[in-house]
Amino acid sequence: GESVGLHLPTLSVQEGDNSIINCAYSNSASDYFIWYKQESGKGPQFIIDIRSNMDKRQGQRVTVLLNKTVKHLSLQIAATQPGDSAVYFCAEINQAGTALIFGKGTTLSVSS
Amino acid sequence: SQTIHQWPATLVQPVGSPLSLECTVEGTSNPNLYWYRQAAGRGLQLLFYSVGIGQISSEVPQNLSASRPQDRQFILSSKKLLLSDSGFYLCAWSTRGEQFFGPGTRLTVL
Repeated sequence: GESVGLHLPTLSVQEGDNSIINCAYSNSASDYFIWYKQESGKGPQFIIDIRSNMDKRQGQRVTVLLNKTVKHLSLQIAATQPGDSAVYFCAEINQAGTALIFGKGTTLSVSS
Repeated sequence: SQTIHQWPATLVQPVGSPLSLECTVEGTSNPNLYWYRQAAGRGLQLLFYSVGIGQISSEVPQNLSASRPQDRQFILSSKKLLLSDSGFYLCAWSTRGEQFFGPGTRLTVL
């Protein structure tokens, strides 16, 4: 079946530290992955995506790593700021290629 | 630029009452449209998706239904709400894979 999960439901870091949020997926045929950030009471916001023909992709302060061998996805946030506090979801495209399957989310808390 | 609207933002309804949530997208044509539900502290559960007018796919059995009367309009409905229908309902659109979400509707069924 299709499932996307995260290793830890919560992550607490100090401002300025680097954060790493992990995600495991089960569908080895998935070829597209996205990380979303969701602040309280708002809809998810796109952060970064990666296709299966890549191992790494960088954005502004964020890096996504994809390890297809172990079906593992991670989001790295450099110099974490209080504004980064939110729930982070990984998502993969479903087998039909029509919809995203979301993991349960990791709550990132950044303290000053 | 593309925008997505959802309304109402919040809704409190009694058990057994009907429901109609509306989602509209601007600035794009023939998008894929999606309805998700998010229970408190949980991930997003895909309810319905649509690849075109009148084309609806249901992901989970439930007492909700969806309709797409126009290219950029997606409606989520119920004839009789249950307590378990409470949650945060999100509409999203996509054209190439990445999905863009609306602001959501917080539904409380009492």
